[in-house]
Amino acid sequence: GQQVMQIPQYQHVQEGEDFTTYCNSSTTLSNIQWYKQRPGGHPVFLIQLVKSGEVKKQKRLTFQFGEAKKNSSLHITATQTTDVGTYFCAGHGGSQGNLIFGKGTKLSVKP
Amino acid sequence: DGGITQSPKYLFRKEGQNVTLSCEQNLNHDAMYWYRQDPGQGLRLIYYSQIVNDFQKGDIAEGYSVSREKKESFPLTVTSAQKNPTAFYLCASRPGQGVGELFFGEGSRLTVL
Repeated sequence: GQQVMQIPQYQHVQEGEDFTTYCNSSTTLSNIQWYKQRPGGHPVFLIQLVKSGEVKKQKRLTFQFGEAKKNSSLHITATQTTDVGTYFCAGHGGSQGNLIFGKGTKLSVKP
Repeated sequence: DGGITQSPKYLFRKEGQNVTLSCEQNLNHDAMYWYRQDPGQGLRLIYYSQIVNDFQKGDIAEGYSVSREKKESFPLTVTSAQKNPTAFYLCASRPGQGVGELFFGEGSRLTVL
């Protein structure tokens, strides 16, 4: 079945350093979504990418969707302690398909 | 405020007991979902419903049951047949079937003693 692999599983950074998490799908995705889950909280939607090669920015966060629509990345520039949490990617295999979540990358930021 | 309400937030049960987790939404969303989250496992789909009186099994439906008698409500029952029920359960909804962001409730943490 369709799988979405996400790496790394954990990332520890010093405040001010950059952070990147990567997602790879075994099949072509119609779109990919990113969610953030704060410690003890629930996932909150960040963004959806639909087009091949799409790049979107939200302040210090940059999201990319690969040309083949099988991979994606989230890059955070100059991390802050408020960035702490687990970041999940989730891919749609088709318009009627359910979201397949990656296992997430847990980010910790040392002040 | 519109949103998704899950209850209870924490629940303890003895082995062999069924337990029902509540999920209510006032977003007027058609589609509702139940996910299970275990440490390091991400979110795994248990059941989903795209319309009232209809629901489908997800990837890990064994030992669970659901109902969708009202648009606003999608309760999940964790039965005694579920061999490892201790987990964090998340309910989510979105406007319709197909693509679109998921709106999550705050979750219910079930511990089996």
